[in-house]
Amino acid sequence: GAVVSQHPSWVICKSGTSVKIECRSLDFQATTMFWYRQFPKQSLMLMATSNEGSKATYEQGVEKDKFLINHASLTLSTLTVTSAHPEDSSFYICSALAGETQYFGPGTRLLVL
Amino acid sequence: KNQVEQSPQSLIILEGKNCTLQCNYTVSPFSNLRWYKQDTGRGPVSLTIMTFSENTKSNGRYTATLDADTKQSSLHITASQLSDSASYICVVSAQAGTALIFGKGTTLSVSS
Repeated sequence: GAVVSQHPSWVICKSGTSVKIECRSLDFQATTMFWYRQFPKQSLMLMATSNEGSKATYEQGVEKDKFLINHASLTLSTLTVTSAHPEDSSFYICSALAGETQYFGPGTRLLVL
Repeated sequence: KNQVEQSPQSLIILEGKNCTLQCNYTVSPFSNLRWYKQDTGRGPVSLTIMTFSENTKSNGRYTATLDADTKQSSLHITASQLSDSASYICVVSAQAGTALIFGKGTTLSVSS
C-alpha cells in the first residue's frame, strides 16, 4: 500500500521559535495532501488542504500566517508552526491522497515549552 | 450537520474474546465509510472501506458492516489479541477523497 512518512516524529521547542514538519509520500505522487491536528482523546481535526503548486486551503479558525504550508513537489508538503506557543503542543498528522483514499503519516508530536 | 458518533467511548476485554464497536453517522451525501486503527502516538491505519452498496467487508479478524438505510456501521473483532489495543476510528467521506468526517474513536484495551 501507499506509504506516507513524517519527519520529525517528535520535537520539543521553546516558545517563540518556529518548527517545520515534513510529510512525504514515499511510493506515489500526491497532488493533494492534508494536515490534521489531534489533541489527547480527541478526533483528528483538519487544519488545511495542501495542493501542489498552489496555496493551501485552510479550515475556519486556522491561522494561515501561523501555520505555513508549502507543497512544492508531488511528494513533499511541509507545515511550519511559526512563533510556537505552548497551546500549539499537539499531535500533527498529515495524509496524502492517492486516488480516492487518504493515506496517513505516522504523526509528529510537538511539545512547546 | 455532518456528524459521526461512536460507541462505546472505551472498552476493556480479555484476550481471546470478541467485541463489536458501533458507529452512527449523519453525513450527506454519503460516499464511503472507513474504519481506522490508531495505535497510541501513531497515525491511523485503514482497516476497511465500504461504499453505499456494500454491507460487509472483512480484513482478517476485523469485519465491518454497513447499513446505509439506518446509517449505522459496526466493526467486529474476533479472537482479540493484545496488539488490538488501540483507538478505532470511524470515518465517513461526504465526497470522494476529501471532506472526511471523523468519529472520536473507541479506545479498546485487551488484557491478558
